[in-house]
Formats: sequence, structure tokens, C-alpha cells
Amino acid sequence: AQSVTQLDSHVSVSEGTPVLLRCNYSSSYSPSLFWYVQHPNKGLQLLLKYTSAATLVKGINGFEAEFKKSETSFHLTKPSAHMSDAAEYFCVVSVGEYGNKLVFGAGTILRVKS
Amino acid sequence: DTAVSQTPKYLVTQMGNDKSIKCEQNLGHDTMYWYKQDSKKFLKIMFSYNNKELIINETVPNRFSPKSPDKAHLNLHINSLELGDSAVYFCASSGRTYNEQFFGPGTRLTVL
Repeated sequence: AQSVTQLDSHVSVSEGTPVLLRCNYSSSYSPSLFWYVQHPNKGLQLLLKYTSAATLVKGINGFEAEFKKSETSFHLTKPSAHMSDAAEYFCVVSVGEYGNKLVFGAGTILRVKS
Repeated sequence: DTAVSQTPKYLVTQMGNDKSIKCEQNLGHDTMYWYKQDSKKFLKIMFSYNNKELIINETVPNRFSPKSPDKAHLNLHINSLELGDSAVYFCASSGRTYNEQFFGPGTRLTVL
């Protein structure tokens, strides 16, 4: 079964320093992978998606993720954290016959210190 | 101009009651979904409708019944509410690219 594992439940960085949120996936074939962000008491917003095109995917708000098949990873990065980045981030894989069922990771809470 | 909207935003009710949550999307999408986010923030799909037809039905108690009057609306009716139903329920929709889903703001259900 396809799944994703987020390796850190909490990540804390200082404002202006790089962000790394780690995600490993399990899939028997090339998956579609996503990162979603959820700000406190808000809905989910799509940050970026990988669907077997370029392995380095750029998203909104300066985030990007690299698909590495050899490492089965899809880590999310940002060169410089901003206070507004504090939120919970979900790594997601799509499964099912039409890829319409999203399976979410457990989430990583990002804290940004001033 | 909200893309996916849900009502109500908050719902507090007693055990045993029946309640409904409504979802509407104005994106012209054919497919809509309901997800449940539990107290540990874990998100899991419950149902999906494509053009008013049920296409995903996860292992959900039959007290939960989705209804899609048209492809822009997917409502969730819950009978005989239990304490464990307390969660945030998210509606989502997708177009031709099934797996790019747009989420609503969520409905926080609290069962007392």
C-alpha cells in the first residue's frame, strides 16, 4: 500500500534560516506527491505537487521539494524561514485507480522563532 | 468568491443528535470529497462523489451519509452523534486532475 512517513513531528527554526521538512514515501510505482500547509484554525492549502515531470518542484511562498526515487524521499525546503511560515505541513500521496484518494502523513509542526 | 465553502464553521451538539454539514464549490469541479481530521490532526478520506455518483466510500459507520444534490454540492449528514465523532471535517473538490484537491475551511464538530 502506498503511504508517506513524515520523519519529524515538530521542527523549530529561527527566522531567516533554512527550513527542511522530511518526508519518505512508500509506493510500488511512481507516485503523485504533494505538500499541503495548514495554518492554525484554517483549511488546507496546496503548496506544491509532483506528478512525474521535473523532480525539483517549486511551490508557493518560496517552498520547493525534490523527488528522489533512489531515496524514496520528497523533502520540503525553503532557503529562509519567515514568521508567517509557522504552521503544520502535510506530505501527501495520491492512491487509487484514478489517483483521487489522498493519503496524508501525520504532519510536521513548523515553529519559527524570532 | 470563496472556492470551497462549508457551513457551519463550528457545530456543538449533544450525543444522539442528528446534524448536517454543507459544502459548496464554485470551481466547476466534478469531484467532491469529505475528510475527517481527528484530535491528533490525522486526516483521512471518508467519501468521494463524482458527478453525484459515490466513487469512494471508506470504512465509515453508516451513521454518516453523504448526499450530493448536484455536482457543486456535497453534504454530510450524521445520525446519532457519538463523542468520537468530534473532529474537524473538511470538504474538498477536484477537477480533471483528480489528485489536485482544493479544500474548504473545515467544520469543527464538538459532541458533548
